Amino acid sequence: DIQMTQSPSSLSASVGDRVTITCRASQSISSAVNWYQQKPGKAPKLLISAASSLQSGVSSRFSGGGYGTDFTLTISSLQPEDLATYYCQQSYSTPVFGGGTKVKIK
Amino acid sequence: QLQLQESGPGLVKPSETLSLTCTVSGGSISSTSYYWGWIRQPPGKGLEWIGTIYFSGSTYYNPSLKSRVTISVDTSKNQFSLKLSSMTAADTAVYYCARLPWNDNLAWFDPWGQGTLVTVSS
Repeated sequence: DIQMTQSPSSLSASVGDRVTITCRASQSISSAVNWYQQKPGKAPKLLISAASSLQSGVSSRFSGGGYGTDFTLTISSLQPEDLATYYCQQSYSTPVFGGGTKVKIK
Repeated sequence: QLQLQESGPGLVKPSETLSLTCTVSGGSISSTSYYWGWIRQPPGKGLEWIGTIYFSGSTYYNPSLKSRVTISVDTSKNQFSLKLSSMTAADTAVYYCARLPWNDNLAWFDPWGQGTLVTVSS
């Protein structure tokens, strides 16, 4: 299995801050990474597919990047509604999710 | 728009088999563009893929669960189902179903059902 190591596991930032979450794959996976946002008590929501494709209706504050083994999800200006846990997921082989990053607002 | 809804018992006894159904509305489960999947999330923990099925019946399972999992599809009812045998407390989780667009190595879960909490307890 290709494992996904996500960091940090949690972070606290202020409104307006730029936030970056990282996912590292255990081997090269091209651009086969997706990012999800899960708000408390809700199902995950797809934000970005194929490393950098922003889903329709998702705020342009969110962006994804990377290729090979290292991938990032960036929130350009953190807003209160971004309080959530974020997960990466690789689809290069059988689907595996990263451990999640809990984003808190200072 | 496409919606998915999980249904099934909220409480299962240890050693029993869990049966869940996902009903798809607003689109056809027989679409050639999509697969359909099950994912679970233990309370306070992360997401774990369980398995995926195509409308033809082709299945793919998480190796760690493969010996206990069966996923099936009923195109006449626009539903797909999950059976997980020999349940233990470690299987207590919210179970989600989701659609899976899949093209070569690119596949993602979207949209998701609201999830259903399954507790394993005697």
